[in-house]
Amino acid sequence: KAGVTQTPRYLIKTRGQQVTLSCSPISGHRSVSWYQQTPGQGLQFLFEYFSETQRNKGNFPGRFSGRQFSNSRSEMNVSTLELGDSALYLCASSPQGGLASDTQYFGPGTRLTVL
Amino acid sequence: TQLLEQSPQFLSIQEGENLTVYCNSSSVFSSLQWYRQEPGEGPVLLVTVVTGGEVKKLKRLTFQFGDARKDSSLHITAAQPGDTGLYLCAGARGGSNYKLTFGKGTLLTVNP
Repeated sequence: KAGVTQTPRYLIKTRGQQVTLSCSPISGHRSVSWYQQTPGQGLQFLFEYFSETQRNKGNFPGRFSGRQFSNSRSEMNVSTLELGDSALYLCASSPQGGLASDTQYFGPGTRLTVL
Repeated sequence: TQLLEQSPQFLSIQEGENLTVYCNSSSVFSSLQWYRQEPGEGPVLLVTVVTGGEVKKLKRLTFQFGDARKDSSLHITAAQPGDTGLYLCAGARGGSNYKLTFGKGTLLTVNP
């Protein structure tokens, strides 16, 4: 099976712009989670989607949003970019996402730099 | 508030040495996971511990979950350069793992 893929791998934007990141989960996985990773804060949970519905959300401002399509692919959008949004954005998929025994598989991430 | 504290933050050792990294919290978790992340890649799950006091071994890696399910440790025996990476612990609550709380990680460098 192919792993989790994320596109693009690298992105450079300027303040005020918006950006859309894409994640394709492992085939058959229905849960997709997004995380932001920075040196200062580590990995922080953004949100999780299951069957096209956002099931859980972390403590990020409304500028961060996402969606999931019927084929389980997911996108996240960040509007009005700020310098502090520079980070590695990771996507993880799992079969159901609701069980402690359900392993999450991470993609390689998208490195976003905001200038 | 960082719910999971990992120590040490950085560790540089020579090949063949043993090491232990720690993951501590004041909160109880239903399960705790350990990941390793290499540069340019996403974290890869190493192990999940669920029961208080549980010990799991993965070749030269030994993972332990504290009795109260608030802390965990990872011990590596005879470290090798291939063990180099960022080790992350992550806690799940309420039986759900889709909202994991991660520690900031321990960056391990094993020198040949």
